[in-house]
Amino acid sequence: RKEVEQDPGPFNVPEGATVAFNCTYSNSASQSFFWYRQDCRKEPKLLMSVYSSGNEDGRFTAQLNRASQYISLLIRDSKLSDSATYLCVVPGRGSGYSTLTFGKGTMLLVSP
Amino acid sequence: DVKVTQSSRYLVKRTGEKVFLECVQDMDHENMFWYRQDPGLGLRLIYFSYDVKMKEKGDIPEGYSVSREKKERFSLILESASTNQTSMYLCASSSSDRGPNYGYTFGSGTRLTVV
Repeated sequence: RKEVEQDPGPFNVPEGATVAFNCTYSNSASQSFFWYRQDCRKEPKLLMSVYSSGNEDGRFTAQLNRASQYISLLIRDSKLSDSATYLCVVPGRGSGYSTLTFGKGTMLLVSP
Repeated sequence: DVKVTQSSRYLVKRTGEKVFLECVQDMDHENMFWYRQDPGLGLRLIYFSYDVKMKEKGDIPEGYSVSREKKERFSLILESASTNQTSMYLCASSSSDRGPNYGYTFGSGTRLTVV
């Protein structure tokens, strides 16, 4: 299993739809996880941190399944402004320093 | 807000040139990172530093070196630029005190083209 794997998409959804992305990771010792959002030609920005079984922030819910080693991101009531690439991020391997490994991202396109 | 500033947004260099990419952060973060991002390959870690004058190789350090003489500044050096180093380069920083749970803050990136 690769360190981080995501479906590249694109996911094409209408406004108001609910959409979910999954991400699998290989390092079973990982403790903290993240979802980043990256707009076209922009830098990645932290969207959510994921602890224990998951957390919720408004329309966004992140869940963690340690047994199956996957993380999910659920977006409810999609907005046009949600169109972006969503990066799943897990702690890097080895060294013990605070490195992160980024998935290749899942593209979301929300249409009117 | 934490600010990570990269010196150039766009850069065009010739093959064989020595190239310096500069990154400065203003929040006293201990950790700094250089990534490159390419279509289909995602972000790949080149080098990182967890303290002044300290550096660690990432996943793809070949052809690059780094310098961290001051805590706020982390420079990426392409010793002899090649066309396969054409990419988007992203600098990031994070705090050791806050732990990994707070993620990174990225600069806005430098799009380097080597011709």
